[in-house]
Amino acid sequence: DGGITQSPKYLFRKEGQNVTLSCEQNLNHDAMYWYRQDPGQGLRLIYYSQIVNDFQKGDIAEGYSVSREKKESFPLTVTSAQKNPTAFYLCASSRRGYDIQYFGAGTRLSVL
Amino acid sequence: AQSVSQHNHHVILSEAASLELGCNYSYGGTVNLFWYVQYPGQHLQLLLKYFSGDPLVKGIKGFEAEFIKSKFSFNLRKPSVQWSDTAEYFCAVNPNNAGNMLTFGGGTRLMVKP
Repeated sequence: DGGITQSPKYLFRKEGQNVTLSCEQNLNHDAMYWYRQDPGQGLRLIYYSQIVNDFQKGDIAEGYSVSREKKESFPLTVTSAQKNPTAFYLCASSRRGYDIQYFGAGTRLSVL
Repeated sequence: AQSVSQHNHHVILSEAASLELGCNYSYGGTVNLFWYVQYPGQHLQLLLKYFSGDPLVKGIKGFEAEFIKSKFSFNLRKPSVQWSDTAEYFCAVNPNNAGNMLTFGGGTRLMVKP
């Protein structure tokens, strides 16, 4: 089945720790995105990538980092600089151009 | 900066009631408009979209939305809701000069009582 796989489903972070969220897609999409979802605030864009080896900051990139070494993969690292990391993180992908975004099931990150 | 407003944060309806969820955006140019739905425990999925043409758009599960350019609105409607419509609904806007970028509203959580 084609789709977007996010792992893990639940993740816990200790103080001062970096954690990495995985996002893999087999839809052959060029563009990939990371969003953060908080209650009442909708989805806010963290980072996006239109092609391999290229990515741009979204609206709330501080405390996060990404890489795009392969078309299928777009991992997100939540660094210790992100002081309020508890949220639901969604990965999405789309074909290049004006198009529909497809979403993964999400990763819920909590702080211990 | 462009924004998308969903004024109803929580809506509670009984089955068979009619639904209208508001969505307004601030961008003044040409836009593509979307409604996404997130059922409990499921992926965010597309409900319907407007790119051009007829401003009344029909989507899945009996939902429709009307684009009113003069009001910068894209309200979601359903004549008769079912318990299975319980979900969170997100409006999103993509200005045509922003590539694939979507700006989402804050979401409306709908609960339908059986």
